[in-house]
Amino acid sequence: DIQMTQSSSSFSVSLGDRVTITCKASEDIYNRLAWYQQKPGNAPRLLISGATSLETGVPSRFSGSGSGKDYTLSITSLQTEDVATYYCQQYWSTPPTFGGGTKLEIK
Amino acid sequence: QVQLKQSGPGLVQPSQSLSITCTVSGFSLTSYGVHWVRQSPGKGLEWLGVIWSGGSTDYNAAFISRLSISKDNSKSQVFFKMNSLQANDTAIYYCARNSVGSSSFAYWGQGTLVTVSA
Repeated sequence: DIQMTQSSSSFSVSLGDRVTITCKASEDIYNRLAWYQQKPGNAPRLLISGATSLETGVPSRFSGSGSGKDYTLSITSLQTEDVATYYCQQYWSTPPTFGGGTKLEIK
Repeated sequence: QVQLKQSGPGLVQPSQSLSITCTVSGFSLTSYGVHWVRQSPGKGLEWLGVIWSGGSTDYNAAFISRLSISKDNSKSQVFFKMNSLQANDTAIYYCARNSVGSSSFAYWGQGTLVTVSA
């Protein structure tokens, strides 16, 4: 199975900050990478697929980048509603696998 | 609009089986696959398996011996069954529909919190 590693399990941010969340795969996943946002009590919400494609309805302050093994989710100007846990997921090979999550907290 | 609604028990006794039904609307099971994912504090998000639009299935090798997924296209229902549950199977179980052209998950059920306890 491909291992997905999100190096930070949590970090504190301020409203208005630019936030970068990283995700590293154990092997090349050829941009088959999705990002999800999850708030307590809710199912994950798909934000980005194909490493860079924003889903309909997702604010443009979210963006994805990367290639090969290394991927990044960026949030420009963090808003209150962005406080959540973020997960990456590879779907290059079966089984699809998820990172451990990065929880954003307000300073 | 696309919806997935789950129904199933919240409490399962050790060694017993878990059955959850995912009833979908807004799309046809003959056009999209439905996946099962669980989430626990200890293991995070784990993909369990999928039933594809044509009816074939793929399972996570870690669960293949005790997992079964089937469906009834006419009733828009997908059936999940896992056998021999233990305490470490306590988790929230989700059904999810794959996105067009990929195995990312654009639509999710509400989740079923399953506790394995006597």
